Amino acid sequence: DGGITQSPKYLFRKEGQNVTLSCEQNLNHDAMYWYRQDPGQGLRLIYYSQIVNDFQKGDIAEGYSVSREKKESFPLTVTSAQKNPTAFYLCASSPSPIWDRGQGNQPQHFGDGTRLSIL
Amino acid sequence: AQSVAQPEDQVNVAEGNPLTVKCTYSVSGNPYLFWYVQYPNRGLQFLLKYITGDNLVKGSYGFEAEFNKSQTSFHLKKPSALVSDSALYFCAVRSATGGGNKLTFGTGTQLKVEL
Repeated sequence: DGGITQSPKYLFRKEGQNVTLSCEQNLNHDAMYWYRQDPGQGLRLIYYSQIVNDFQKGDIAEGYSVSREKKESFPLTVTSAQKNPTAFYLCASSPSPIWDRGQGNQPQHFGDGTRLSIL
Repeated sequence: AQSVAQPEDQVNVAEGNPLTVKCTYSVSGNPYLFWYVQYPNRGLQFLLKYITGDNLVKGSYGFEAEFNKSQTSFHLKKPSALVSDSALYFCAVRSATGGGNKLTFGTGTQLKVEL
């Protein structure tokens, strides 16, 4: 059964600590994304990756880092520089590189999120 | 820059009545438009999309949306609401003609369907 798996479902961060959120997909999608969801603000793009070993900053990348060493995995690290990390984090993927305009209309598929809180 | 406006934070409707969730957009060139639904503590589920062609798009669970280019709108509709439709709905847009490859989401509309 194909899909996107995010873990853990709940995560707590201590002051000064870096934490890493996992995102794995078995949909064979090229592009992957990380969003942050806060109440009343919709989804804001943190980072995205169109292909292995490549990624770009989104609208709110400060205080976050990512890697894309494998096609199926796109972990997000919330660093101690992110002063307000409490939020619901969503990972998504889409079938093709976004630069392929013939395929750029495909919807993104989402995981079930990780809720991060401060201890 | 592209943007999406969902003017209503919450929409209340009685079960069996028609529902409309509003969305207007701004984008350079032609738009790709999407509707997603989110249930509590879950990710977003794709409902439907407009790419080109027929302005009335049909999607999952009996939902449909009407693209109106002159009004830059893409309102979500359903002829007869169910209590199980109660959820958070997001409209999203990206440009079909380059100028950026990011999907921009609205702030969401909470739909509440009551008996």
